[in-house]
Amino acid sequence: ELKVEQNPLFLSMQEGKNYTIYCNYSTTSDRLYWYRQDPGKSLESLFVLLSNGAVKQEGRLMASLDTKARLSTLHITAAVHDLSATYFCAVVPWAGNMLTFGGGTRLMVKP
Amino acid sequence: SQTIHQWPATLVQPVGSPLSLECTVEGTSNPNLYWYRQAAGRGLQLLFYSVGIGQISSEVPQNLSASRPQDRQFILSSKKLLLSDSGFYLCAQWDGAYEQYFGPGTRLTVT
Repeated sequence: ELKVEQNPLFLSMQEGKNYTIYCNYSTTSDRLYWYRQDPGKSLESLFVLLSNGAVKQEGRLMASLDTKARLSTLHITAAVHDLSATYFCAVVPWAGNMLTFGGGTRLMVKP
Repeated sequence: SQTIHQWPATLVQPVGSPLSLECTVEGTSNPNLYWYRQAAGRGLQLLFYSVGIGQISSEVPQNLSASRPQDRQFILSSKKLLLSDSGFYLCAQWDGAYEQYFGPGTRLTVT
C-alpha cells in the first residue's frame, strides 16, 4: 500500500522568511503533484514533477523531486500572506493512474 | 479546455436520508473520473473511480455508491446517510496525460 507523508502538518511563519515542506512516499513513483487548497475551496494544481531531479518554480514556490530518496520538497521563498493555504502532495505509483494524497500542510504566513 | 461541474454546491441532510451528488465534465470524451471525500481538516480519500460508462471501482467499503450513466456524468449516491458521511466531496478528472483536475466540490453536512 502506497503511503504518503507530509511534514510539517502545520506551519506558522513570518512574512519574508523561507521554509520547506517535505513529502515522503513509500513506493516507486514516476509522478508527484503539489496542490494548493484555500479554505472552503477545491484543489488548485501547482506543480507536476515527472522525473528524478525535476525542479519547477512558480513565483515564490519551488518544487523538487528525488525519486531515489522518494522525497519531494516544496520550498517557500520570502513568504507573503497570500501564500497562506493548505498544501498537499500526491503521488501516482509507477504505471498507475490514481493519486494518493499526503495529509496536507496548513501554512499560515503572518505579517 | 476541460471544465468540471458539481451539483449541488452545499447540502444539509438528516441522518438516514438519501443522497445524490452529480458531477459533469465538459471539453473531453471518455475521461477517467474520480470521487474523493475530505473530512473537516483532513486529507483526501479516494472513494470511487471510473474509466468508462458503467465501470465503477470502489476504493473503500462504505454506504456510498457511484454510477456513471453517461460518458461525462458521474453520480455519488447513498440510500441512508450517516453522520460520518459529512465532508467535502470532490469530483476529479484525469486528462489522459499528466494532470488531474478537480471540480468545485460539494459540501455535505449530515445532521
